[in-house]
Amino acid sequence: DTGVSQDPRHKITKRGQNVTFRCDPISEHNRLYWYRQTLGQGPEFLTYFQNEAQLEKSRLLSDRFSAERPKGSFSTLEIQRTEQGDSAMYLCASSFPAGGVGEKLFFGSGTQLSVL
Amino acid sequence: GDSVTQMEGPVTLSEEAFLTINCTYTATGYPSLFWYVQYPGEGLQLLLKATKADDKGSNKGFEATYRKETTSFHLEKGSVQVSDSAVYFCALNRDDKIIFGKGTRLHILP
Repeated sequence: DTGVSQDPRHKITKRGQNVTFRCDPISEHNRLYWYRQTLGQGPEFLTYFQNEAQLEKSRLLSDRFSAERPKGSFSTLEIQRTEQGDSAMYLCASSFPAGGVGEKLFFGSGTQLSVL
Repeated sequence: GDSVTQMEGPVTLSEEAFLTINCTYTATGYPSLFWYVQYPGEGLQLLLKATKADDKGSNKGFEATYRKETTSFHLEKGSVQVSDSAVYFCALNRDDKIIFGKGTRLHILP
C-alpha cells in the first residue's frame, strides 16, 4: 500500500503530557498538510509544507503545536502540555500540485487523540 | 474569510431515491470546488471537483455543477445505493489549502 500512513492510529494521554504523531506521505508528493477534525465538524486546516518548508500555519493554532518535515519526506506533529480541548482526529494529507492550486489531497486514516 | 456551508444531516433515503446535498460558498475570486467523501472506517477521499464556473464534476454517478451566480455546488445522484452511505464534505481551495464544510451524513436504507 503506497497511500498516506499515520502513526499511531489512537493515542490516549493525560492532560499536560506531550504527544507526537507521525505522517508518511505518498513518496512523490511534495506537499503535506495537517488537519484536525472533531465530531460533527469538517477538517480544520492546521499547517502545510512544501518539501521541508512550512509555508503556512493557521492563526488558530496554539504555540503548543509544532510541526516539522525535516527532509521533505515524513512529518511529525507535536502537541505540548495537552489539554482536553485537543482531543480530536488529526489528519494528514499529501498532494503533488502539478497544475498549481486546487489539486487532489490524499488523506491518511488519521490519529485519534483522547486527552483525559 | 472564505467558507463553505452545506445542509445539515443526517439525510436518510431509500435505495434508488434521488439525492441532493446543498452546498454554498463564500469566497473572493473563483476558487476550485470539491466534494470529498468519507466512507465508514476509511479516510477522506476526493469524489469530484470543478475548477471554473459552469464546470460539471462527476464520478460514480454523482454530479455537481459550479454555479457562480448562486455561489453553489450542489451534489446530486439520480439513484442512490446502500453503498453510498457516508459523510460528504463540500470544500473549496484558498491559497493552496482546502477549506471544508461541516459535512453531511447520508444513510441509505435498503
